[in-house]
Amino acid sequence: QSALTQPASVSGSPGQSITISCIGTTSDLGSYNLVSWYQQHPGKAPKLMIYEVNKRPSGVSNRFSGSKSGYTASLTISGLQAEDEADYYCCSYASSNPFYVFGTGTTVIVL
Amino acid sequence: EAQLVESGGGLLQPGGSLRLSCAASGFTFSSYEMHWVRQAPGKGLEWLSYISSSGSTIYYADSVKGRFTISRDNTENSLYLQMNSLRAEDTAVYYCAREGQQPGYNFDYWGQGTLVTVSS
Repeated sequence: QSALTQPASVSGSPGQSITISCIGTTSDLGSYNLVSWYQQHPGKAPKLMIYEVNKRPSGVSNRFSGSKSGYTASLTISGLQAEDEADYYCCSYASSNPFYVFGTGTTVIVL
Repeated sequence: EAQLVESGGGLLQPGGSLRLSCAASGFTFSSYEMHWVRQAPGKGLEWLSYISSSGSTIYYADSVKGRFTISRDNTENSLYLQMNSLRAEDTAVYYCAREGQQPGYNFDYWGQGTLVTVSS
């Protein structure tokens, strides 16, 4: 089972919106609406930002939203802020080992 | 609020063994499924292992199956990862993570991580 495919980096100016894609296969994104997204600042632990495609945990800004179509999940950050500069990982439950597949990771750069 | 604190990391030689611990607080540990996830230096996240709330169901990634053992002690609010036959490629920061409540399938709280370095 290979990692989900994400762009290496995405950049945007403050106030803009950006979208990070996450491409999977029949065994993961194609079969389950169990995709989650994690934000990781340098030297810190990952933080859950989105679960079950488009649900936000309590305390996560509504500037973060998720969607999914077919084998591709997406994370959109609207009203980009300097504090959003971080690495972002998607993750999906999978039907075979490993049962959780992470994406390759995307570095968001705020210009 | 939930808190997870890992410990036990360190530097060791290939072929060695190490036991990681994860102390949980701020929630009813015995009600939650738990995971171990690692991150090699400069690399992405890799799921390693799952244990059910009672400890009766366990899964491993193929990359560590047969070498790593996950366990928990609900009376001590602790999660463990016994790592044997360590290789250079096991060098990583190891995180314990709590699985979110039903339906789950996500990691809603993470520890700060503990670094394991395997080198001769």
